[in-house]
Amino acid sequence: EPEVTQTPSHQVTQMGQEVILRCVPISNHLYFYWYRQILGQKVEFLVSFYNNEISEKSEIFDDQFSVERPDGSNFTLKIRSTKLEDSAMYFCASSELDLTYNEQFFGPGTRLTVL
Amino acid sequence: GDSVTQMEGPVTLSEEAFLTINCTYTATGYPSLFWYVQYPGEGLQLLLKATKADDKGSNKGFEATYRKETTSFHLEKGSVQVSDSAVYFCALSGWRGGSEKLVFGKGTKLTVNP
Repeated sequence: EPEVTQTPSHQVTQMGQEVILRCVPISNHLYFYWYRQILGQKVEFLVSFYNNEISEKSEIFDDQFSVERPDGSNFTLKIRSTKLEDSAMYFCASSELDLTYNEQFFGPGTRLTVL
Repeated sequence: GDSVTQMEGPVTLSEEAFLTINCTYTATGYPSLFWYVQYPGEGLQLLLKATKADDKGSNKGFEATYRKETTSFHLEKGSVQVSDSAVYFCALSGWRGGSEKLVFGKGTKLTVNP
């Protein structure tokens, strides 16, 4: 069964460093998403991406964040200069175009720890 | 804006007990409602869904009914198993199709003891 994959599973970085989190969505899906979950808090939407551009972003997704689909398979989230409060689990998701409901398929997540 | 509130956990039950996890929502329009489950070390998996009022979503013995009058989508299972131990997330999506984001509740951790 096709699945969303994410690498790495755990990333440790120093404050101020850049990190890139990688995701491989399901191959025939057209919409891509990043969510994050700070420990003990809600899963929060960061950004959605369609047709090689951002379709929606939350107020969390400020200038420190960027997303890219550099080739036909990967979808990346870059944090330019990490802060302590960026420590969280980051989930990638993808969905296909569906006119009845939006089923998003999630990856296992990347745990980011900023020291 | 849209929001989801679900009961605080953790919830600990014995095998074969009845499970209810409460979920209420606030949204404009007519959202679609979902329950996602996260097993240890894995990603979020869609458990069940309902796209309009009075719809009942069901899967693996779990059920939830979309109640517009009470803005609720409570998750139930008549007899839980040890393998149901996981974190359960209630979520809504404001648009039937396309790229509308999911809004999640905080999650409820369920532990089922043998």
